[in-house]
Order: sequence, then structure tokens, then C-alpha cells
Amino acid sequence: EPEVTQTPSHQVTQMGQEVILRCVPISNHLYFYWYRQILGQKVEFLVSFYNNEISEKSEIFDDQFSVERPDGSNFTLKIRSTKLEDSAMYFCASRNGTGLLLPYEQYFGPGTRLTVT
Amino acid sequence: LAKTTQPISMDSYEGQEVNITCSHNNIATNDYITWYQQFPSQGPRFIIQGYKTKVTNEVASLFIPADRKSSTLSLPRVSLSDTAVYYCLVGNNAGNMLTFGGGTRLMVKP
Repeated sequence: EPEVTQTPSHQVTQMGQEVILRCVPISNHLYFYWYRQILGQKVEFLVSFYNNEISEKSEIFDDQFSVERPDGSNFTLKIRSTKLEDSAMYFCASRNGTGLLLPYEQYFGPGTRLTVT
Repeated sequence: LAKTTQPISMDSYEGQEVNITCSHNNIATNDYITWYQQFPSQGPRFIIQGYKTKVTNEVASLFIPADRKSSTLSLPRVSLSDTAVYYCLVGNNAGNMLTFGGGTRLMVKP
């Protein structure tokens, strides 16, 4: 069964440093997402990406965040200058474009645990 | 987006049927009801989705009454591995974000 993969599984960084979290969505999917989950809290939407552009973003996704699909397979989330409060689990998800029957079926990756010290 | 209310936690025993009910009084005409499951330190996983009446797949059943103001996720004969958080989501924004609430933490005991 195809799956979304994410690297690294755990990233430790110092406050103020830039990090790039990487995701490989399922190959025939067209919609891509990043979510985060602070320990013990809800899963929060960050951004959605379709047709090589951001289609929606939350208030969390400020100027410190950016996303890119540099080639046909990878989807990255960059945090330019990390803060302590960015420590969380970051999940990538993808969805195909023909989800007429199951429009809410997103496939999530295993996550990257980001620790900012 | 319709607000959802579900129990914070539930306990069950192996082999029992578990029913988790979600209230969504303000559901809109074109909203779907979707349930996700999340194990510790893993990403959420889609379980089932419905619009009205009953939907069944290999994992669960989803019961939606005619007024659609609530829905019940039914897990038949749970096992220890069904211990997880279960999220009820309601919305019609198919292309974009999922909005997760607090979910129901199901603990299955031996």
C-alpha cells in the first residue's frame, strides 16, 4: 500500500536556526498539506498546497514558514528562524484529486518530531 | 465549520463493541462527517466518512440519523490495538484543511 514518508523522524535544532522538513507524498496525489501537533494538544492545520501554489493557510503559518515542491516527488516545509514554541510533531498529508466519493480522505505521514532548544 | 462535541475518553474491554457518538448540531446541508484514528506518535488515519444513514467498511460502521445532528462510530469487537484517539470531523471544504477537535481517547483493556 502506498504511503506518505517523512524525513527526518526527529530533528533537534537551536532557536533561531532554519529547518527544512521533508515529505514524499503518495505519487499520484495532487493535494498536499502540513499539520502540526504540539505535545498533548490537537492536530492543527498549517497549509495546503495544490497546483504548485498555496491554496489555504492558517494563522500559524506566518512569514517564518514556507512550503515548496522542488521536484515531482518532494514537498518541504521550511521554518526560517525557529522558536521554542515551534517544538511539535509535524505531519505531512496528501490527497488525490479524484476523491469524489471520499473527499476527506487524507493520507498522513508518520511525522517529524521537531525539538527547538 | 460545524462544531463537534464528543466524549473526552472511553474505556472498553477486548471483544466488546464500542460506540463513540459525536454531536454536530450546526451541521450544514453539504457537510460530510468523517472519522480519523490516531495512535500515539503517529499521524491520523482516515477511518470512515458518511453523509447520511449508515456506512460500513472493513474497519467500522458509521450511523447518521435523519437529522444529521449527531453521528456514531461503531467499532465491532475491539482489541488492545484499537486503543487510540478517535476524531470526529464535520465540513464541506473537500480540497483543503481538516479541522481536528480534541477527539475521544479510547482505552481498550484486556
